Amino acid sequence: GQNIDQPTEMTATEGAIVQINCTYQTSGFNGLFWYQQHAGEAPTFLSYNVLDGLEEKGRFSSFLSRSKGYSYLLLKELQMKDSASYLCAVRDGDYKLSFGAGTTVTVRA
Amino acid sequence: IAGITQAPTSQILAAGRRMTLRCTQDMRHNAMYWYRQDLGLGLRLIHYSNTAGTTGKGEVPDGYSVSRANTDDFPLTLASAVPSQTSVYFCASSDSGLAGDEQFFGPGTRLTVL
Repeated sequence: GQNIDQPTEMTATEGAIVQINCTYQTSGFNGLFWYQQHAGEAPTFLSYNVLDGLEEKGRFSSFLSRSKGYSYLLLKELQMKDSASYLCAVRDGDYKLSFGAGTTVTVRA
Repeated sequence: IAGITQAPTSQILAAGRRMTLRCTQDMRHNAMYWYRQDLGLGLRLIHYSNTAGTTGKGEVPDGYSVSRANTDDFPLTLASAVPSQTSVYFCASSDSGLAGDEQFFGPGTRLTVL
């Protein structure tokens, strides 16, 4: 099976930066996704990495190191609306998506 | 534009009953998926379909069946519900299921089996 690990919870202050780490061990690799999920809602797409390096999209950035089986999602200038769960998902060799359990980020004023 | 719709929004079901969760997308996506989400376990793939007429098993397929008669609809059936199937069920779709295609998720169905 696939193994995707991320911290369960993180807390940060409004305006600060938070980094959510994700490590994975999968059968093959065809890309890594980050999704945001607010409580009681559906996951929504944030970012996709398939090559090593940093992808920046506004306040959110995602980094990938394939050799280390490691990614992180960086959230800058945190806002209260960023309080949500962040899901790391890896597309394996069969193109199926496996999800980590999610990291719940709480932003405090 | 609706995207993906799921019905019902929530359901309480007696154990042993048959139940079909409905999923419809209007984006003409080829690939569709069913996941269940349980606290502490994240999203787990139940079944998937890469194109109309084909289906495949995911990580947790036992007790569930699917069909894909056309591009738009992908119903999930619980033949005889058991309490361990209490969960939130999400349907998703993507253009091709390959490479960098992001998956779009429906609003979910909260199912309780008593």
